Order: sequence, then structure tokens, then C-alpha cells
Amino acid sequence: KQEVTQIPAALSVPEGENLVLNCSFTDSAIYNLQWFRQDPGKGLTSLLLIQSSQREQTSGRLNASLDKSSGRSTLYIAASQPGDSATYLCALEGANNLFFGTGTRLTVIP
Amino acid sequence: EAGVTQSPTHLIKTRGQQATLRCSPISGHTSVYWYQQALGLGLQFLLWYDEGEERNRGNFPPRFSGRQFPNYSSELNVNALELEDSALYLCASLRDREETQYFGPGTRLLVL
Repeated sequence: KQEVTQIPAALSVPEGENLVLNCSFTDSAIYNLQWFRQDPGKGLTSLLLIQSSQREQTSGRLNASLDKSSGRSTLYIAASQPGDSATYLCALEGANNLFFGTGTRLTVIP
Repeated sequence: EAGVTQSPTHLIKTRGQQATLRCSPISGHTSVYWYQQALGLGLQFLLWYDEGEERNRGNFPPRFSGRQFPNYSSELNVNALELEDSALYLCASLRDREETQYFGPGTRLLVL
């Protein structure tokens, strides 16, 4: 069974800093990996999706990488802003399911 | 503690039919979210129910509807099914808006 771990569980940074969130998984037989943000009262928002054959995706200040051989993905956020404060989750899509990590709660301090 | 459960696990329908998907949240959780994950696409938010009321919905046509029962379980109904409705439908529950959502195993819907 796929196990997905995210480190750290919580992170506080001052505004403007660059930061990296980590996601590790045990089964490399995946279709894709996604990074989401979760805001209170709202559904999950998909940030980036990396197909199994890809190594990274970029959207604005966000860059996500995927290394299936080591079972790791990172989400890099450049020049963090207070509006980036949220819980970030990674998820891996297998044959019939979506496996979520435990999330990293990010707080960006103005 | 039992997790979020969904039924059925798989559902096969033909175009034009209706599909009903069910979700039971974790005991004590009053909010239920529904998501659609089409193959190769990102997860998309469908509906949010809290305390029996629809609180928010994503960018989906009205033929996607649902409800939440007094015991906080929920149904997602998809009318007039189209081929592109084929997807994994996920339900999630949470107790407090500040907490992480807990996801069910999903219902895979195939429309032929």
C-alpha cells in the first residue's frame, strides 16, 4: 500500500523567503503526483500536476519536482507571501485511488 | 475509528443515465466535500456540504447535485451522464474548517 509522508508538518517563514516542502512515497508505480493547497472552508485547490513521465512542473512562483527512483517530490515556493499561508498536500494517483500525504501547514509572517 | 467510506467502489453507466454516489464521513465530522478526478487531470472541487447545507460548489453544471442527510452522510447525483463524466469521485470529511480533510477511497465512474 502506498504511504505518503510530508515533512515538515508545520512551517513558519517571514515574508519574502524561498521555501521547500517535501513529500516522500513508498511505491513508485504512480500515474501522477499532485500538489494541492487547502484553505479553511474551501475545497482543495490543485497547484501542480506532474505526470509519471515528467520530472518537474512550474507555475508562477511554484516549482514541483518528481524523482520516482528516490520516492520524493518537492514543492518550491519562491518569494513567499502572506497569501501563501495554507496547508499544502501532495497526492499520488495509483491505479484506483488517490493517496494523500499528511500535509504541511505553512504560515508566512508579514 | 472508521474512516470515510464511499459506495459503490465502481460504477458503470451509459450516456444519459443517472448516477448516485454515496459518502459516509468520519463520526463527528459535519462537513463533506466532493471532488472529481478525471484521468490525467487534477482534482477538481465539486461541492461542499456543512451541517446539511450546500455551502459552496465548483465550476460544474447543474446536473451535478447532491445533498447531505441529518446524519451527515452525503449523496452526489449526476444526471444526464456524459462520457467525460468518467472519473474518480472522491469524498472528504472534516470536523473543523482548520483541520485537514480526510478522504474516502473514491468511486470510479465509467460512462459508456
